[in-house]
Formats: sequence, structure tokens, C-alpha cells
Amino acid sequence: DAKTTQPPSMDCAEGRAANLPCNHSTISGNEYVYWYRQIHSQGPQYIIHGLKNNETNEMASLIITEDRKSSTLILPHATLRDTAVYYCIVRVAHGSSNTGKLIFGQGTTLQVKP
Amino acid sequence: NAGVTQTPKFQVLKTGQSMTLQCAQDMNHEYMSWYRQDPGMGLRLIHYSVGAGITDQGEVPNGYNVSRSTTEDFPLRLLSAAPSQTSVYFCASSPGTGRTEAFFGQGTRLTVV
Repeated sequence: DAKTTQPPSMDCAEGRAANLPCNHSTISGNEYVYWYRQIHSQGPQYIIHGLKNNETNEMASLIITEDRKSSTLILPHATLRDTAVYYCIVRVAHGSSNTGKLIFGQGTTLQVKP
Repeated sequence: NAGVTQTPKFQVLKTGQSMTLQCAQDMNHEYMSWYRQDPGMGLRLIHYSVGAGITDQGEVPNGYNVSRSTTEDFPLRLLSAAPSQTSVYFCASSPGTGRTEAFFGQGTRLTVV
């Protein structure tokens, strides 16, 4: 699985958009980009994933660059409850024997401030 | 659905003791895995399984054993607990096809003294 690089910490004002970057310059063609978050030592929570097209769901949007070497997770209107550690992970799609494992990096600690 | 259930939530062991951390999922997921998280660190993969009867090692497998006799259960055994195994342990499961996001349990906080 490709290695990812994220800034260790970011701040965001409540109600504003939070843009969390991730570099994955060695990503392979069959690897997806996944985002998880972990709130205060709870189990990680899935947010969104994508291959090459931008994706949006009820929680967030994922923007992947055309060369797929980086991506940005966007929380459109951050709230205090979005304060968490956000992990960007790249891994192969389902159907591979590697699907069952996720390799976590250090993640980005997002602090949403009033 | 209860999702992924881990027991116990907290445990204190003495060095050299053995124990089993339990993980069960009721979503009929093929893939299950165990992670540990040390203070201020990300999660590290211990062992994982792609189906009943199939397991493989992750990043930090030493000192741990797993088996997968049923789809639902994936216990993690500590053979001889050491202080270095003090950590929070998370179990996760994900389906083999279709949606591929992993679902995590709430963790087991283990202290070895």
C-alpha cells in the first residue's frame, strides 16, 4: 500500500470549511484513497473514499488531483464535533487479498475552534 | 445490528499472564483485523483475516496469535503479556465485496503491569 503524508495538525473556525490535504505520490492505478477519522480515542470512523473522480457524501467531499498524487478532504461547515484525528489511507480495491488491512499513518489532528 | 463488539473494554494484566481479547461482528463480513494504538500514535495492524480459516500477519504480529474458526469471531490472544503490549486494541471488519469501508469496535484498553 502506498505511503501517505499529512500535516500533523490544523485549525479551523466553526462554520467554515475545513480542507485537509494528503499527499500520496506513489499511489498505484488500482489503489483507492480512503479517509477515516478518530474522535477522542474511539474506534475510527469511515468518512469517504474515491479512485479518481471527486466524491461527495453526507459527511464530506473528496477532491483527487488529476495525477492522483494528492487529495483533499473537505468538511463544508465544520462543527466542534468534527474535532478529531483524520487519517488518509490508500489501499487496493475489494477483491484483493490485501483488502482486509488498512495501513494508518499519523494523521492530521483537526481542531475546530468556536 | 450490533456492528463490531469487543470485550472486555478494560483489562489489567500482570507480566507473563495470557489472555484473549474477543471480537465479534454480526454483519457477515469476510474481512476482520486487529490493530493496536499506542498513546499519540496512529493504529498499527497486528493480524488480519480475509475469511474463516485464513489469517495473516500485519505490521506488528510478535507476541500475538489469532485464529478465525467462524465468520463472526476473530479473537486475539496474548501469549505472555509484556508491558510493551500496554495499548488500546481495535478490531475491525469489512465486507468482501461491494462497500469496502471498515467498521471498528470501540476498543479494549489493556494495561500490563
